[in-house]
Amino acid sequence: AQSVTQLDSHVSVSEGTPVLLRCNYSSSYSPSLFWYVQHPNKGLQLLLKYTSAATLVKGINGFEAEFKKSETSFHLTKPSAHMSDAAEYFCVVSEGTYKYIFGTGTRLKVLA
Amino acid sequence: DAGITQSPRHKVTETGTPVTLRCHQTENHRYMYWYRQDPGHGLRLIHYSYGVKDTDKGEVSDGYSVSRSKTEDFLLTLESATSSQTSVYFCAITQTSSNSGANVLTFGAGSRLTVL
Repeated sequence: AQSVTQLDSHVSVSEGTPVLLRCNYSSSYSPSLFWYVQHPNKGLQLLLKYTSAATLVKGINGFEAEFKKSETSFHLTKPSAHMSDAAEYFCVVSEGTYKYIFGTGTRLKVLA
Repeated sequence: DAGITQSPRHKVTETGTPVTLRCHQTENHRYMYWYRQDPGHGLRLIHYSYGVKDTDKGEVSDGYSVSRSKTEDFLLTLESATSSQTSVYFCAITQTSSNSGANVLTFGAGSRLTVL
């Protein structure tokens, strides 16, 4: 069965320092993996997706994620945090057309 | 832009009253979904549709029904709203990515429902 675990419910970083948001997944098949971002009182926006091509995936706004099958991880990183990155981030795993499993979210706080 | 419109965007209602949320899309997508978002739970699937009059239950379908009489509209109904259904509801469609072939969820702006 599919599952997703976001290892930190809250992460705080200083502006200009690296961001690491951790995600582990469980899947019986070759999954598709996604990261979404949700700014306060907004909808969800796709940051990036992994679909069995390159294991290092680049997304919007300088974010990237690396698929590590041996570790069943798909951590999201950014070299330098910006105040506008403050939001909630969701890791999502999918094994088919309609089945998407969401993690419980990581709220990123960026300190000035 | 997937052209997804949710209505109403905000609604306050009383326990026991019926409520219908509407999701409208303009691009003829086959799959449509209703999720609810609650703190600490992420997004959970209520119902989804894979075509006109073709729907199925998600993980939290109790107390909800859906209908899809036209490709563009997917309605979510709470027959008798309860306080536990206070939540933010998101409609979504899946789009096939042109460069990867992946099916990507694209969301509407959300509907905030408060049941008193």
